[in-house]
Amino acid sequence: EPEVTQTPSHQVTQMGQEVILRCVPISNHLYFYWYRQILGQKVEFLVSFYNNEISEKSEIFDDQFSVERPDGSNFTLKIRSTKLEDSAMYFCASKGGQGVVLSTDTQYFGPGTRLTVL
Amino acid sequence: AQTVTQSQPEMSVQEAETVTLSCTYDTSENNYYLFWYKQPPSRQMILVIRQEAYKQQNATENRFSVNFQKAAKSFSLKISDSQLGDTAMYFCAFMLAGANSKLTFGKGITLSVRP
Repeated sequence: EPEVTQTPSHQVTQMGQEVILRCVPISNHLYFYWYRQILGQKVEFLVSFYNNEISEKSEIFDDQFSVERPDGSNFTLKIRSTKLEDSAMYFCASKGGQGVVLSTDTQYFGPGTRLTVL
Repeated sequence: AQTVTQSQPEMSVQEAETVTLSCTYDTSENNYYLFWYKQPPSRQMILVIRQEAYKQQNATENRFSVNFQKAAKSFSLKISDSQLGDTAMYFCAFMLAGANSKLTFGKGITLSVRP
């Protein structure tokens, strides 16, 4: 069964450094998302991406964050100048469009990247 | 804006018993989807079940079923014949119908299945 993959599984960084979290969505999916989950809290929407541009972003997704689809398979989240409060689990999700695999109305999540900022 | 409320922070159930997890939501829209996701200790988000708001019939997936009450804006998850592997955090989530809609999650409930 197709799945979303994310790398790395765990990233440790120093405060102020830049990190790039990588995701490979399900092949032929058209809609991509990033969510964040601070330990012990609920999952929060960060950004959605379609047709090579941001569709919607939350108030969390400020200038510190950016997303990119550099090629036909990867979808990345860049966090510049990381802060202690950026420590969280970051989930990538993808959803299909017309005629693609799996449900077009369901978002499928990757295993997440645990980001620790020291 | 849509909101999802899970008021029970945790529940416990004996193995092989049945448990119901509650969820309410608020929206002024008519076309939407509801989901239950499971998050085991590995923290992976796993889809358990989904419900289309336009369908009156409650969704079922093996041991998992929902009680969808659209007028009451209630969406509870029933787990029958609970298994130790069901121990996890369960999140209720809402999504408007539409090509690029985001998920709005509740705070989650921790379910423990006792042997």
